[in-house]
Amino acid sequence: QSVLTQPPSVSGAPGQRVTISCTGSSSNIGAGYDVHWYQQLPGTAPKLLIYGNSNRPSGVPDRFSGSKSGTSASLAISGLQAEDEADYYCQSYDSSLSGSVFGGGTKLTVL
Amino acid sequence: QVQLQESGPGLVKPSQTLSLTCTVSGGSIISGGYYWSWIRQHPGKGLEWIGYIYYSGTTYYNPSLKSRVTISLDTSKNQFSLKLSSVTAADTAVYYCATFSSPFGVVTLNWFDPWGQGTLVTVSS
Repeated sequence: QSVLTQPPSVSGAPGQRVTISCTGSSSNIGAGYDVHWYQQLPGTAPKLLIYGNSNRPSGVPDRFSGSKSGTSASLAISGLQAEDEADYYCQSYDSSLSGSVFGGGTKLTVL
Repeated sequence: QVQLQESGPGLVKPSQTLSLTCTVSGGSIISGGYYWSWIRQHPGKGLEWIGYIYYSGTTYYNPSLKSRVTISLDTSKNQFSLKLSSVTAADTAVYYCATFSSPFGVVTLNWFDPWGQGTLVTVSS
């Protein structure tokens, strides 16, 4: 299983707000390493969505926000739209592995 | 804007070596602060970091793959490559190359952006 734990799936109706959690440990998120989030639309490569815990790259709507606390991080998506239906992955650094680690991914379904 | 494109055989026989190349355009692979990375995604599964190489040639590999992986640079072609030896069906996946960087240029803070479109490699006889 993945070093970072995410719920396999979340869902919400258009316009609603959903959150996706990413739980780590003292060797990654809990050690203070930044968390980054990626969006993978069906059949495409992942795209950077949030970097440095809470920063949005140019072009990413402000409906997407990130936060981190302790050994966990969260991605929040407000004002859900059908186009947000995708897989979402968190990523951080792990000192035990001396490398990058990903969460298992969360499939967002817009009802 | 840096762009990346993977290339290589889509079919590899078991026990052979998987070889992929990532061609970088819009930037130089010897630019400081950039790490050139490989990530894979098994069918219907999540993302797995394989490794990255710094412009200096320093490499970092996933411990679970380290004994079989080699990542190298070809500065004359502005490319970097992945070799994965002794492959099995478990190595069937979409392989992505990506830039791993940040304004800080430190692996503990970096993120993957941009990514190539990915290439499916199937291990089968």
